[in-house]
Amino acid sequence: NAGVMQNPRHLVRRRGQEARLRCSPMKGHSHVYWYRQLPEEGLKFMVYLQKENIIDESGMPKERFSAEFPKEGPSILRIQQVVRGDSAAYFCASSRTGASGRSPDTQYFGPGTRLTVL
Amino acid sequence: AQKITQTQPGMFVQEKEAVTLDCTYDTSDQSYGLFWYKQPSSGEMIFLIYQGSYDEQNATEGRYSLNFQKARKSANLVISASQLGDSAMYFCAMRFDRGSTLGRLYFGRGTQLTVWP
Repeated sequence: NAGVMQNPRHLVRRRGQEARLRCSPMKGHSHVYWYRQLPEEGLKFMVYLQKENIIDESGMPKERFSAEFPKEGPSILRIQQVVRGDSAAYFCASSRTGASGRSPDTQYFGPGTRLTVL
Repeated sequence: AQKITQTQPGMFVQEKEAVTLDCTYDTSDQSYGLFWYKQPSSGEMIFLIYQGSYDEQNATEGRYSLNFQKARKSANLVISASQLGDSAMYFCAMRFDRGSTLGRLYFGRGTQLTVWP
């Protein structure tokens, strides 16, 4: 059973370019989350999605960042007009719905995408 | 406001010894979950153990156990019989089971564990 897959693992962009990060959740998982990790820090929540729906995007910067999880295909985190401060590791996690049906289950993480902005 | 606090930036333990990594949390909610993740130098995040706020027994997973003290709002990770491969950054995280932030994990800043022979 394949885990959460992310690609690319490393991405280099020049200032002003666009970055597209992809995440395929584990089989049977319908909840996807994106987190950002700056050097020497813990992970910070960005966005929580279910198929075709954004559930919580309160951790996303208001400009330049967007996320989607279409009916078919991977979840995409898109960063437009990247700046040096966007350099970070971006992690995707996925989970099933918990047994109670009210909340998501344990989140399993992908290997991350290391974004470097030159 | 910081919801998860890990006060130990670094810890050292000798191989085969046990080590406790501290984690305290701040919430007035009654329904939440606590998690520990391991991040080795290769960078991936590995789920280790989970404790629900209503669980009466401390969670255990192999050499990992979670010392959950609800009244003190602490969820310390205990690693028994440390191995060299346990050297990594360890993150404590919390998730609320209700409300507008349902689902998201709040992470601490991590503790770098070094196991020496």
